[in-house]
Amino acid sequence: ETGVTQTPRHLVMGMTNKKSLKCEQHLGHNAMYWYKQSAKKPLELMFVYNFKEQTENNSVPSRFSPECPNSSHLFLHLHTLQPEDSALYLCASSQDIARVEGADTQYFGPGTRLTVL
Amino acid sequence: TQLLEQSPQFLSIQEGENLTVYCNSSSVFSSLQWYRQEPGEGPVLLVTVVTGGEVKKLKRLTFQFGDARKDSSLHITAAQPGDTGLYLCAVSDSWGKLQFGAGTQVVVTP
Repeated sequence: ETGVTQTPRHLVMGMTNKKSLKCEQHLGHNAMYWYKQSAKKPLELMFVYNFKEQTENNSVPSRFSPECPNSSHLFLHLHTLQPEDSALYLCASSQDIARVEGADTQYFGPGTRLTVL
Repeated sequence: TQLLEQSPQFLSIQEGENLTVYCNSSSVFSSLQWYRQEPGEGPVLLVTVVTGGEVKKLKRLTFQFGDARKDSSLHITAAQPGDTGLYLCAVSDSWGKLQFGAGTQVVVTP
């Protein structure tokens, strides 16, 4: 079952590079999420999109720029990152964001392991 | 301070042993979720507990929600190497915003 896919799985970039992370969900869900997972820190929610509209920006620096062209695809555009941005970036999707009858159950992709040099 | 405190941070046991991991908070929650994250993968939802004192079983895994709905525990009986992973607890608000604990890394060796 590959309900949520992420590419690339690994990415190494310099601080002056521009790169993009891609997430695609095949579950017919309406909500998509970006999370950051750093070593020994809790998963941090970055962005939430519901029906292609951004509903949450958890005080994320502007060097991270999300894009949601449709309910199945989510991108995270990266530019002028810092070494401390190195982490596992996880995408997730859910049927809805509202906590009704389990519709908010989130399904995660495998993540993109990002290293910023 | 984190909303959810998980303990221990790391646990290494032999196959066949039992283990318990904890998720504690000073806040009251309407529900709490447990996830397992295996190396190279994203978290996978194991269970959601919603009622104070509730106990749910998933094969050899037993989940308990505290009576006051502030804490939860996960007990694994006769652990197997396949139980190796990062166990995360999480709570969500009414609009799906999940907040996670830092997790307990469990390693089960044959």
